[in-house]
Amino acid sequence: SQQGEEDPQALSIQEGENATMNCSYKTSINNLQWYRQNSGRGLVHLILIRSNEREKHSGRLRVTLDTSKKSSSLLITASRAADTASYFCATLGLLRGAQKLVFGQGTRLTINP
Amino acid sequence: DVKVTQSSRYLVKRTGEKVFLECVQDMDHENMFWYRQDPGLGLRLIYFSYDVKMKEKGDIPEGYSVSREKKERFSLILESASTNQTSMYLCASSLFRVNQPQHFGDGTRLSIL
Repeated sequence: SQQGEEDPQALSIQEGENATMNCSYKTSINNLQWYRQNSGRGLVHLILIRSNEREKHSGRLRVTLDTSKKSSSLLITASRAADTASYFCATLGLLRGAQKLVFGQGTRLTINP
Repeated sequence: DVKVTQSSRYLVKRTGEKVFLECVQDMDHENMFWYRQDPGLGLRLIYFSYDVKMKEKGDIPEGYSVSREKKERFSLILESASTNQTSMYLCASSLFRVNQPQHFGDGTRLSIL
């Protein structure tokens, strides 16, 4: 059951530029989370935004949430080569009493030196 | 920092074998999860557990079983491995409270020949 869908599927920019990735979802959410995955590794949690929040910052990351449009965006400012990775949004639902995350397909971000 | 450790990074097994994937977390998390990740299909939940000896089916439990005898350890079992179970397997854990991120291991890349 696909909930979050990222856009674009792939993004290639020059080092120092800003990168923006978008996520759309279908049903009501409790929170929305963004994760990063370096090639061949596990996912790393970046930021969690609750449904009653509109914007959240963490270092060079800025996440916005528009529940009326069922969408979120992740902005990475002043990108670095080390930001090259896949980025996933995930929305939280409850499944038989436990929290279940539903992930999108991800955006592959490439930062060119 | 939370550490989720998966026993193998790479594993090669033969069709029909019984395969065990092990996952251990060191932060006393109640929830543990097993996902598989395939190109074009994203992350899909296989099984999860919110307490010792408790297990719940995720989206794709067929061909798999799990065991959680101790809080820190969650094992995924492929009863009779098949080639369509070749995949990247990711284990994750989280606290039971709402609005908590999941913490992932580095994954096991399993090939069934």
